[in-house]
Amino acid sequence: QVQLVESGGDLVKPGGSLRLSCAASGFTFSNYYMTWIRQAPGEGLEWVSHIDNSGSAIYYADSVKGRFTISRDNAKNSLHLQMNSLRAEDTAVYYCARGPVSGSGRFDYWGQGSLVTVSS
Amino acid sequence: QSALTQPASVSGSPGQSITISCTGTSSDIGGYIYVSWYQQHPGKVPKLIIYDVSYRPSGVSDRFSGSKSGNTASLIISGLQAEDEADYYCSSFRRSSTPYVFGTGTKVTVL
Repeated sequence: QVQLVESGGDLVKPGGSLRLSCAASGFTFSNYYMTWIRQAPGEGLEWVSHIDNSGSAIYYADSVKGRFTISRDNAKNSLHLQMNSLRAEDTAVYYCARGPVSGSGRFDYWGQGSLVTVSS
Repeated sequence: QSALTQPASVSGSPGQSITISCTGTSSDIGGYIYVSWYQQHPGKVPKLIIYDVSYRPSGVSDRFSGSKSGNTASLIISGLQAEDEADYYCSSFRRSSTPYVFGTGTKVTVL
């Protein structure tokens, strides 16, 4: 079955850096776009970034552009999010999601999430 | 990068039908079929319940249905049950440098 397991969330000071990872299993990872979606405490969902299956097409939300970098390693079935210059407003649970699925806009499987807290 | 607009809350009695709206623009909902809906119970991971406006993933109850008219998409929950009490989010592809957007979210309460 499809599994997505995030890791790397932690407490970090403003201006600091953190790298999130998502280990994928149960499907052919290299065939799918992958996405990071976040949810601040008590708030709604926010699309953060996605990467196509080869890693050649990448998009970012305006709120993270220039500070976050998405990448993937198809040989290791892993997705990453390098987060630099972190701000208090980046505090959130970060979900790794499969998709958008080709020919559809859906994110059909989600990980359990990794909590990032930015605070001094 | 504004979110799609949803009502903050919708409520209904068991057995009733409710509709949650999701309003965007011609650059997102109005221009594409890539509208999805997600259900999130408190403390849980969001779950896909509708994709491409009106399709249900395998295993999702047929009490959930979706539609779209112009710049507004709708999620209809029929035969409301206690287990339907959750937050619901729409999402859409958007013709923009930031190609996906979520709605503001709607809390469904079963009275």
